[in-house]
Amino acid sequence: EAGVAQSPRYKIIEKRQSVAFWCNPISGHATLYWYQQILGQGPKLLIQFQNNGVVDDSQLPKDRFSAERLKGVDSTLKIQPAKLEDSAVYLCASSLVVGEPDTQYFGPGTRLTVL
Amino acid sequence: AQSVAQPEDQVNVAEGNPLTVKCTYSVSGNPYLFWYVQYPNRGLQFLLKYITGDNLVKGSYGFEAEFNKSQTSFHLKKPSALVSDSALYFCAVRRGLGGFKTIFGAGTRLFVKA
Repeated sequence: EAGVAQSPRYKIIEKRQSVAFWCNPISGHATLYWYQQILGQGPKLLIQFQNNGVVDDSQLPKDRFSAERLKGVDSTLKIQPAKLEDSAVYLCASSLVVGEPDTQYFGPGTRLTVL
Repeated sequence: AQSVAQPEDQVNVAEGNPLTVKCTYSVSGNPYLFWYVQYPNRGLQFLLKYITGDNLVKGSYGFEAEFNKSQTSFHLKKPSALVSDSALYFCAVRRGLGGFKTIFGAGTRLFVKA
């Protein structure tokens, strides 16, 4: 079974530039999550989708971050414009069903450096 | 509000000795509790979870965790540590019965010395 795929693995940009991350979840997984993991901290949920609907985006900085899940499968997370404090690893995860205590399967992450 | 505390930034243990990584939580109602491990340059991997039932949960790679409701703890344990267990460990909690958001702790780095 293929795991969660993310690209790119690394990205370096200057502040005020835009960046986009892509995630392909495990086939058949209804729920998709984007987390931000700042160095030395645990992952923080940015947004959670069930199929192509948003379940929770309470911690997503909506003035600069946006996310969509195309046809309930792939997802893109965008930052525009980036700030220095956005430097972090962005993790995508998927799980089979929402509402159940299901296991989340994580991708390798995208390490973003904002200069 | 949900929260998770991992009181130790780092745990050092000699290979072959038992290890414990501590976790305490706060959540309304019954919790769902998880442990994940993160190896360098890799995503988080699921180790084990507590949903209901037996307080001692067994997981991957010989790890187990004990749910203690009175102490609101969910400590991760292994009887005999391996050097390959050296990694970053995260405890996570989700509110049961209708809860959706999973909250992660800050992580504990486990270092196993040969």
